[in-house]
Amino acid sequence: DTGVSQDPRHKITKRGQNVTFRCDPISEHNRLYWYRQTLGQGPEFLTYFQNEAQLEKSRLLSDRFSAERPKGSFSTLEIQRTEQGDSAMYLCASSLLSGGRADTQYFGPGTRLTVL
Amino acid sequence: AQSVAQPEDQVNVAEGNPLTVKCTYSVSGNPYLFWYVQYPNRGLQFLLKYITGDNLVKGSYGFEAEFNKSQTSFHLKKPSALVSDSALYFCAVPNQGGKLIFGQGTELSVKP
Repeated sequence: DTGVSQDPRHKITKRGQNVTFRCDPISEHNRLYWYRQTLGQGPEFLTYFQNEAQLEKSRLLSDRFSAERPKGSFSTLEIQRTEQGDSAMYLCASSLLSGGRADTQYFGPGTRLTVL
Repeated sequence: AQSVAQPEDQVNVAEGNPLTVKCTYSVSGNPYLFWYVQYPNRGLQFLLKYITGDNLVKGSYGFEAEFNKSQTSFHLKKPSALVSDSALYFCAVPNQGGKLIFGQGTELSVKP
């Protein structure tokens, strides 16, 4: 069990550029979640996958955001035409679907995005 | 809608003293409740969760939490605080699909 990994850990970009983040979940986990956390706040749900299917997207996820999980393994989160308001920590978590809502999510270290 | 509230932005305790980080909840149906800890510039680490059964839940690093249905609370506790416990603590409740709804967080500061 190597845990959830995320890459890169830090990303600095200029406004208007596109960025892509990667998340590798715990290998046997079939659910994968993306959250966004701004300074001084708790994480907020963005989207989640069960295997390769994207089952829900938050209203926070504007059309500039897209997420994929090809083959039900790693996932990518892309932000197009970044804005300063996108600056945040992007967290990925994975879980093994067994008890439903009571399943424990394990988080990666996060990707900190700074948009200049 | 499921929600949790953490009424204290910051809790200060002396090393060796007991600590309590408060969380209240509002849920429909059976309450499932989680506590996570976040160290600076790190992701969240799972501490413990309540599903059903015993109201006192034991978790990682000597932490425990007490589920109180009548007070709709799920306070995190530790009998003797360590300086290394200083971190940001989040209470959370799962919504449909298991997505977590987090509280605002409580910053715990343990001084030597």
